[in-house]
Amino acid sequence: GAGVSQSPSNKVTEKGKDVELRCDPISGHTALYWYRQSLGQGLEFLIYFQGNSAPDKSGLPSDRFSAERTGGSVSTLTIQRTQQEDSAVYLCASSTPTSGRARSYNEQFFGPGTRLTVL
Amino acid sequence: QKEVEQNSGPLSVPEGAIASLNCTYSDRGSQSFFWYRQYSGKSPELIMFIYSNGDKEDGRFTAQLNKASQYVSLLIRDSQPSDSATYLCAFKGGQNFVFGPGTRLSVLP
Repeated sequence: GAGVSQSPSNKVTEKGKDVELRCDPISGHTALYWYRQSLGQGLEFLIYFQGNSAPDKSGLPSDRFSAERTGGSVSTLTIQRTQQEDSAVYLCASSTPTSGRARSYNEQFFGPGTRLTVL
Repeated sequence: QKEVEQNSGPLSVPEGAIASLNCTYSDRGSQSFFWYRQYSGKSPELIMFIYSNGDKEDGRFTAQLNKASQYVSLLIRDSQPSDSATYLCAFKGGQNFVFGPGTRLSVLP
């Protein structure tokens, strides 16, 4: 089946502009994560959606960042008034709890990412 | 704050050797641990997960977990040039995944 898709693959914007990044998770996956990865760095958690529960926004770096998930599927990450330090690859991942397991394991499947460059 | 520490590398090993990648984590309540491989310019992909103390083997890969020492490692036997990538260690802390900065592995032909 189709994997996680993200669009656009690349986005170049000017400082101060707003941008929207889109993520289409794997069908049926209830959990969706957004991460940011700066050049040569690890993954920085941004936000987590699980079903109809309130999202965990604890990783959002500032109030310029927001995200929503409509209908429990597609998610949009919005960055307002972009700054040069926002330049990074933004990765989306989706997962679903494995049925019948008592452990808190579920595999994340990552999308190809959106490379954001703020000039 | 929950953290994961890894040696950033690069770790260079000759082809055919065993590569040993190490990771320590701060959250004693963590239940699940993961190793992801990330090729340059690509997204991470899951290689192994482990949640019980001891070793877990899958082909050329062995994950080792020691919860008392808060330590997890990944061994790659018979390393191949195609194993050259960044390896990310992660644990599941509550509902979120916490990733380490990654170790860059270079397998020299």
